[in-house]
Order: sequence, then C-alpha cells, then structure tokens
Amino acid sequence: GENVEQHPSTLSVQEGDSAVIKCTYSDSASNYFPWYKQELGKRPQLIIDIRSNVGEKKDQRIAVTLNKTAKHFSLHITETQPEDSAVYFCASGRSARQLTFGSGTQLTVLP
Amino acid sequence: GAVVSQHPSWVICKSGTSVKIECRSLDFQATTMFWYRQFPKQSLMLMATSNEGSKATYEQGVEKDKFLINHASLTLSTLTVTSAHPEDSSFYICSATRVSQPQHFGDGTRLSIL
Repeated sequence: GENVEQHPSTLSVQEGDSAVIKCTYSDSASNYFPWYKQELGKRPQLIIDIRSNVGEKKDQRIAVTLNKTAKHFSLHITETQPEDSAVYFCASGRSARQLTFGSGTQLTVLP
Repeated sequence: GAVVSQHPSWVICKSGTSVKIECRSLDFQATTMFWYRQFPKQSLMLMATSNEGSKATYEQGVEKDKFLINHASLTLSTLTVTSAHPEDSSFYICSATRVSQPQHFGDGTRLSIL
C-alpha cells in the first residue's frame, strides 16, 4: 500500500515569513495530492490539491509543487499570518477515494 | 457547498454500551463515505470505506463486528461502536465524496468511554 512521509512534524515561523512542508509518497500510480488544514478540535479542511498532470498550483498565499519523478510534493505558504497556525496534513492516492494521510505538521506562526 | 454534518460532537458513556455516530452530506449526494479515527496529535487513520447500498470495506486490523457501518442512503452513513470500552475512546471523523470530488470532512465526534 501507499506510504506517505511528512516533514517537519513541527514548524515555527515569524509572521510574514514563508513556511514549507514536504511530503514523499511511495506509490508511483498515485496521482491526486490534497492538503488539509486542521485547527484544534475542528474538521480537516481542504486548502489546495493537485493532480499529477500539473507540476504546480497556486491559490493566493498557498502553493503546492509536485515532482512525480522524485515522488514528493510540497506546500508553500507565503506571508504567513497567525491564523495560519494549525496542523497541516498532506495526502496521496490514486483518487480522492483512496487517500493515505501524512503524519501532520504543527505550524505555529509567531506574532 | 459540500457540507458534511456529524453528530453527536461529543459523547460520554459507560463501558459496555453501544454508541451510534451519524454522518450526513447536507448539500450533495455522497457515493462514498469514509470513517477515520484520530488519536491526539496523530494523523487520520482510515477505518473503513462505505459505499451507498453495499457493505463497508474495512481496513486491516479494524474489527467489523465492533465498528458497524451502515450507508443506507446517498446522504447518510452511521458508525456504531458496539460494547464500547475505554480503549475505544478517540476522535472519530467521517468524510464524504462523490465522483471526481475531494473528500469533505465532518466536525468529528469525541468519544469518551468511562
């Protein structure tokens, strides 16, 4: 089955700086890569996703890059704000119906 | 759009009782629903995949007789934890999807077994 590794497990950045979270996956047939944000005690919310036919996708301050050859993808958050503080999960799968989640990254944005 | 409602949000009960958790897709028809378990500060662990009108597919190590899943309609799936014990205490969270759409999660249910 799919194995997803996520790093780092914790990340602290100063407000306004950028944050980068990286994930690797093992199944070369995976072609769907979403990122979820989960605030304490709340539901995971989809913030961005990418499919394997593109290498990069951007939505305002959030971007995701995908390297299919190396089997890794990354989340980039620019101009971080305190409200970006949360746990971020990457996931990988052959479709949205077959996802394996990473272990999560606790992002703290320091004011 | 894509709102998933989960009830109850918190339940405390005695050891040995059964607990039912509901997951509803409010504004779309979910062909597939998923049930996850999440321990504190850990990732989402898939328990089972549920397709409307058919039996759920359980992940390895998940007892299907203990965690009963019913997906009777395109908008409702239920998870029943039977004869719950303290080790079943956890955060249970559902998600729903339809063809070519992302998974959308419910708010989760915090289950505490005394």
